Parts: sequence; C-alpha cells; structure tokens
Amino acid sequence: SQQGEEDPQALSIQEGENATMNCSYKTSINNLQWYRQNSGRGLVHLILIRSNEREKHSGRLRVTLDTSKKSSSLLITASRAADTASYFCATDDSSYKLIFGSGTRLLVRP
Amino acid sequence: DTAVSQTPKYLVTQMGNDKSIKCEQNLGHDTMYWYKQDSKKFLKIMFSYNNKELIINETVPNRFSPKSPDKAHLNLHINSLELGDSAVYFCASSQGITGDQETQYFGPGTRLLVL
Repeated sequence: SQQGEEDPQALSIQEGENATMNCSYKTSINNLQWYRQNSGRGLVHLILIRSNEREKHSGRLRVTLDTSKKSSSLLITASRAADTASYFCATDDSSYKLIFGSGTRLLVRP
Repeated sequence: DTAVSQTPKYLVTQMGNDKSIKCEQNLGHDTMYWYKQDSKKFLKIMFSYNNKELIINETVPNRFSPKSPDKAHLNLHINSLELGDSAVYFCASSQGITGDQETQYFGPGTRLLVL
C-alpha cells in the first residue's frame, strides 16, 4: 500500500539549531499531518495542512506542502533537547485511513 | 484524565497462546483504530471502527479479531500467537473519518513479546 517516505531517516543537531524533515507521498491527498513520537510513547498530533494550503505555522513549527511534487517539510526552529523524538508524516487520501511514513529520528544534543 | 488508554502496557506470552488488548477513549470520538508498529518503527493500520462498525480491515490475518462493544471501546483479540506478532500495538481515536476530523489521538501502546 502507498506510504510516505521521510528524509532523512535520522538527524542529529545541536540545541538551538533548526531541524528540517521532509516527507514524500505517492497519491493525491486531502490533507497531510505531522506527528511526534517520544521514545516508548504513543504518537502526538502536531499539525495538519490541507491540500489547498501551502504553508502553516504553529509555534516553532513550520510546515510546507507542495502537492505538485507530492512532498511536505517540517521545520522546527530553535530546537530544544525536549524535541528529541521520532517525527512521522501521515497522509489522508479519502480512504478512511491515514498512511504513515517511516519516520525521522531527531536527536537534539544539549 | 487519560484520553486514550490501553491495557496491558506490556504483554509477554508463549507462542500459540491467545491474548487480548483493551482500549478505551473518553473523548467522545466516533472512530477508533488499531495500529501495529514493528521494530523499525513502521506504523501500519490494522482495523478501524466507526460507531461500532468495521470500516477498515487491512488484510490482517484472521487470528486477529477486533471487537467494539460500544463506540468508546475497541478491543483486540489475538489467537494462536506467532513470533512475528511481536510488536507495539497502538490504539487511536478520531472524531470522524473524513476531512479535518481525522486528527488522531493515540494511546500509550501495548508492547507484545511472543516467545
């Protein structure tokens, strides 16, 4: 089944730096969502961007969506050690389910 | 108050056994899901129920049987457990099944280890 691909698979940065993660998908979508998963925990919804939107902000998060390229990016500005987690994109293609990507493991070094 | 709760948190069992995982949500949502996350962190939908009716069954082996006694509960029963069933199982819920209502709320996961 179709699924998103996150890039990079793993990212290590210094606290205070920005972190950028990318997601590519295969089919037309209604919306794209980003989730965070802390080690040993469930996923937490971060932000949803609709297919007719190009950019969305929420606090230190900035998400872009390019439907022509079937890709999205998540930017975390001024990263903190607490941002260390895995980040997943998920696409809604009107099939009553979300398709999750493979995730990016982010490590923010203090 | 926990929005989506699962029990047990850990489950260690022998191959061939039958086990159940329970999930409850107190968000008043209409839709509930079961996901399986493998060792590579890949998350895959297994089932989805909307108002107690099955709407998604992702070609999961019929050893897995979900049951939704009411829209706040979705339990997962697994018969004849196999080594490959070892994974983390997540329950989730959402208000609806379309559009912006698909933001999902996840439980803490059940870590299943089959020996």
